[in-house]
Amino acid sequence: GAGVSQSPSNKVTEKGKDVELRCDPISGHTALYWYRQSLGQGLEFLIYFQGNSAPDKSGLPSDRFSAERTGGSVSTLTIQRTQQEDSAVYLCASSLIAGGRGEQFFGPGTRLTVL
Amino acid sequence: RKEVEQDPGPFNVPEGATVAFNCTYSNSASQSFFWYRQDCRKEPKLLMSVYSSGNEDGRFTAQLNRASQYISLLIRDSKLSDSATYLCAVNPSGAGSYQLTFGKGTKLSVIP
Repeated sequence: GAGVSQSPSNKVTEKGKDVELRCDPISGHTALYWYRQSLGQGLEFLIYFQGNSAPDKSGLPSDRFSAERTGGSVSTLTIQRTQQEDSAVYLCASSLIAGGRGEQFFGPGTRLTVL
Repeated sequence: RKEVEQDPGPFNVPEGATVAFNCTYSNSASQSFFWYRQDCRKEPKLLMSVYSSGNEDGRFTAQLNRASQYISLLIRDSKLSDSATYLCAVNPSGAGSYQLTFGKGTKLSVIP
């Protein structure tokens, strides 16, 4: 079946612009996660959704970052007033069940470059 | 101590060799453990979950040592196609938590 999909695959933007990243999880997966991976760094957790709710947003690095999920499916991650340090690969994952035992499957990511 | 630590490598091994990686974690309450494989400029792909009793999938064996707080991945009969970065992931707080904490990965190069 179809895996996690993300769009766009690449995004180049100018500092100060807003960007919106999209994630379409595996059908039937109730949990959705956003991570980012900077060059040479490990994956950094950003936010988690169970259904349309985000129980904990503490992983978001600043108030310029926000995310929503609608219909228990597609999620968008929005970064306002982008900064150069926002450049990274933004990865979305989904799992059938929430919590630690849910195996997470990743999408191909969106590579964001802020000039 | 970092939450999840891995030797970054690189591990350069000849084809057919056996290679093992360890990953240490700091939170003794951690309940779930995974190994992912990540190819260059690609997303992490789940390789295997790590169970308390250990588990094996073909040439790959994963073990959990709770007393010493580490997990291991053993690859037997290495193939060129095994060349990748191997990430360990830990659910740091057990039941009720949701995120995975990843190590920075161990790079493996299998040489002809």
